[in-house]
Amino acid sequence: QSVLTQPPSVSGAPGQRVTISCAGSSSNIGAGYDVHWYQQLPGTAPKLLIYGNTNRPSWVPDRFSGSKSGTSASLAITGLQPDDEADYYCQSYDNSLSGSRVFGPGTKVIVL
Amino acid sequence: EVQLVESGGGVGQPGRSLRLSCAASGFIFDDYDMHWVRQAPGKGLEWVSGISWNSGRTGYADSVKGRFTISRDNAKNSLFLQMNSLRAEDTAFYYCAKAGTKNWYADFDYWGQGALVTVSS
Repeated sequence: QSVLTQPPSVSGAPGQRVTISCAGSSSNIGAGYDVHWYQQLPGTAPKLLIYGNTNRPSWVPDRFSGSKSGTSASLAITGLQPDDEADYYCQSYDNSLSGSRVFGPGTKVIVL
Repeated sequence: EVQLVESGGGVGQPGRSLRLSCAASGFIFDDYDMHWVRQAPGKGLEWVSGISWNSGRTGYADSVKGRFTISRDNAKNSLFLQMNSLRAEDTAFYYCAKAGTKNWYADFDYWGQGALVTVSS
């Protein structure tokens, strides 16, 4: 059972906006630790999508954005494209677990 | 171009050992913390272990503590994971991942392609 909670799946038509939530607690996101997001396309290694809650690496288009508030974070994808169909994971640090980074269970984005 | 290439995966028997290696290139290796993250087939991501840039700090998931040991050789731009007392639940793809900064809580900005470890008799 993950310390961070994500919906199993979200879906949208091409061009639409979808959001993925990542719920944590006072020992991780709520304690001020950054949230990072990763995209994993089928059969490939994960790739960094958002770091430090809101920052995009140079290779990530601005259709992807991140936010954080309280004990939760969110990833938004605007202008949804077929290539965005993938698994998305949030990740943070939890101070109740020895030395532990924690991942959410992942959310499958389905492009209708 | 940053490259991380894992090796050493394969089949290991329960209770036995395997050692994973990760060869790094394209960045100043001893400037960054490094980590291992695993993914059981069809499952989500699980952080396994991390090591600071100078080996002064290490961390382990509770699921591997006391069985796995992370190490690095900065002279050879290499990261290692010694896996002892293997269990069936250790079966997974193991990814080598580079930290984005020297901050111990940093993201993982580059990942290797993964090495499959299968624990089976």
